[in-house]
Amino acid sequence: DTGVSQDPRHKITKRGQNVTFRCDPISEHNRLYWYRQTLGQGPEFLTYFQNEAQLEKSRLLSDRFSAERPKGSFSTLEIQRTEQGDSAMYLCASSLYGPGGTPYNEQFFGPGTRLTVL
Amino acid sequence: AQTVTQSQPEMSVQEAETVTLSCTYDTSESNYYLFWYKQPPSRQMILVIRQEAYKQQNATENRFSVNFQKAAKSFSLKISDSQLGDTAMYFCAFMKRGGSNYKLTFGKGTLLTVNP
Repeated sequence: DTGVSQDPRHKITKRGQNVTFRCDPISEHNRLYWYRQTLGQGPEFLTYFQNEAQLEKSRLLSDRFSAERPKGSFSTLEIQRTEQGDSAMYLCASSLYGPGGTPYNEQFFGPGTRLTVL
Repeated sequence: AQTVTQSQPEMSVQEAETVTLSCTYDTSESNYYLFWYKQPPSRQMILVIRQEAYKQQNATENRFSVNFQKAAKSFSLKISDSQLGDTAMYFCAFMKRGGSNYKLTFGKGTLLTVNP
């Protein structure tokens, strides 16, 4: 396993369209996180899963955003009716929480999906 | 809620020299972790170094070391013998310890350029 992968790496869409991003975590990792990084800012937490359960969603995650991790492996992040303000880098990270993991729950990041909404 | 502040948007250093990146944070928590992450251009973010707040000794990882001042809520990163490959965006981050550790809170980042 070579790390966290994300697909696509770049997405350009028109305002009002729906987009879906995929994240494949490191295979033995049970936690998966989504962050959003806008220009000039650090990543901001959006949501996270432990196995297939979504345990927390940030206030940043409006009703137009939905994330799933159906079998506790890969995850998808969908944005409906995209707006120009959704333009950002969407980062996925994974970690092994619990036995075998680090006490500081080290998160390993993917390369991100850069979304541009025209 | 926690906040992390990086007051230096950009810095530059000559190859082989030493540079220090600043970070301050605000929290009411007593147990937490602090991290420095590196994000090279068009590449994924990687963990550079971490510090447990309950440890007084400053963390070191090869050429990277931190100056952790808990009372002042300051957490700076020192890079010694800077190399061209150190050119990257550096983010300071906070994570609460205990419970179900999960969320990282990041600063805005410092863009470090190492010049030949």
